[in-house]
Order: sequence, then C-alpha cells, then structure tokens
Amino acid sequence: GAGVSQSPRYKVAKRGQDVALRCDPISGHVSLFWYQQALGQGPEFLTYFQNEAQLDKSGLPSDRFFAERPEGSVSTLKIQRTQQEDSAVYLCASSLDRLEKLFFGSGTQLSVL
Amino acid sequence: ELKVEQNPLFLSMQEGKNYTIYCNYSTTSDRLYWYRQDPGKSLESLFVLLSNGAVKQEGRLMASLDTKARLSTLHITAAVHDLSATYFCAVDTFAGVDNDMRFGAGTRLTVKP
Repeated sequence: GAGVSQSPRYKVAKRGQDVALRCDPISGHVSLFWYQQALGQGPEFLTYFQNEAQLDKSGLPSDRFFAERPEGSVSTLKIQRTQQEDSAVYLCASSLDRLEKLFFGSGTQLSVL
Repeated sequence: ELKVEQNPLFLSMQEGKNYTIYCNYSTTSDRLYWYRQDPGKSLESLFVLLSNGAVKQEGRLMASLDTKARLSTLHITAAVHDLSATYFCAVDTFAGVDNDMRFGAGTRLTVKP
C-alpha cells in the first residue's frame, strides 16, 4: 500500500482481555516505531525496531506489553490482561532509515471497559 | 532522560498575524522533527532538521534549529484558518543506550478569522 496501515481502527476490550494490534509499514522501511497517545497528549514512545531487531523497548509500560516484527515488515503490538489505563490511541510509524521522516498510520483507538 | 518541552501549549491567533512556537530539549541531539496533527487524524511530517543552523520553510511555516541552545522554533507567518491544528516537535536520541524519538506535548493552534 501507499502508506502505513494499522488494524483494527477501533478496538473495544473488556478489562482483562488480551488484544493484538497490527501495523503494516511502508514496503522497504527499515525503522518502525510504536507510540501510545492519550487524549490531548503527545505520542509517548513505546518501542523501536530496525528490521526485525527490537533495539529499544524501554517505553513499554509493563510486562503486559509485547511487540514483535519477526520478518522485518509487519509488526504486532500485543497487550495482555488489558487495564483501563491502557485506553489510548496506538500509533505505528515507519521510515526508510533512522534519519528520514516518519510516516504515521491512522492509529488504533483502544478502549478498555 | 530526554525531555522535550514546547510552549505555548495553547495558542489562539488572528488570521494574518505572526507567531512563534518554541521547542526546547534537554540532551544533545542533531535531529529534530516537526509534525502536524489534525483532530482525530494521525501525524503528518512537516520538517526534518538535521544540523545546527538548519532552516526549512514551506508555505507560511518556517522551522529552525539551534543545537547549541537545544532549541527549535516554528514560525508562522500571516496565519490562515487552515493552519489550525496541533503541532508537535520530536527529538531523536538515536545514540548509545537510547534509541527512541521523543515528542513534546504539542501546541494546539487555533487561527480565528
């Protein structure tokens, strides 16, 4: 596709449920980031991949959060045992390399009830 | 820990006026980015500034970077309503231990007729 694609666009989960959020970056983009954006706030860094290598996961808020990019393209962010405080928009972004601008997906809006 | 501070956080201005948004950051970095976000939408890249003294302009927006002062500015000239959005700066710390790109809290700009 022409841009970064994220699915689902909206996700409603019951507290305690596991969720998986998908990101299809632009083909050929080496760098991939996941961000969490709360309402009215700036994006908060979660994790960064260079190809399939997860170079930084320091932003993941707890061990309930897990991200992978096994073949260096599609990435999945998994949240186990969701809590209400996990409610936010999860943004994925990719770039050709680290020095290039990021292209953001439309995000997945997660609501935990 | 890298901190990125923007000010003002809210800005209401009249069409035709000029104004500047400021972005300060706390650690050495040669790469700074400006993004725009419309309500309910994802982020759109505006500028990538890669060196001290870099200045980039597009339309009514001009961004500059002073790495010694750890300061970037986004100057708006003769504002028009279409510029109403939230503007974020982001600083890249791709060096050493940290590999993330951190965003400021955003400046919500409203341009009134």
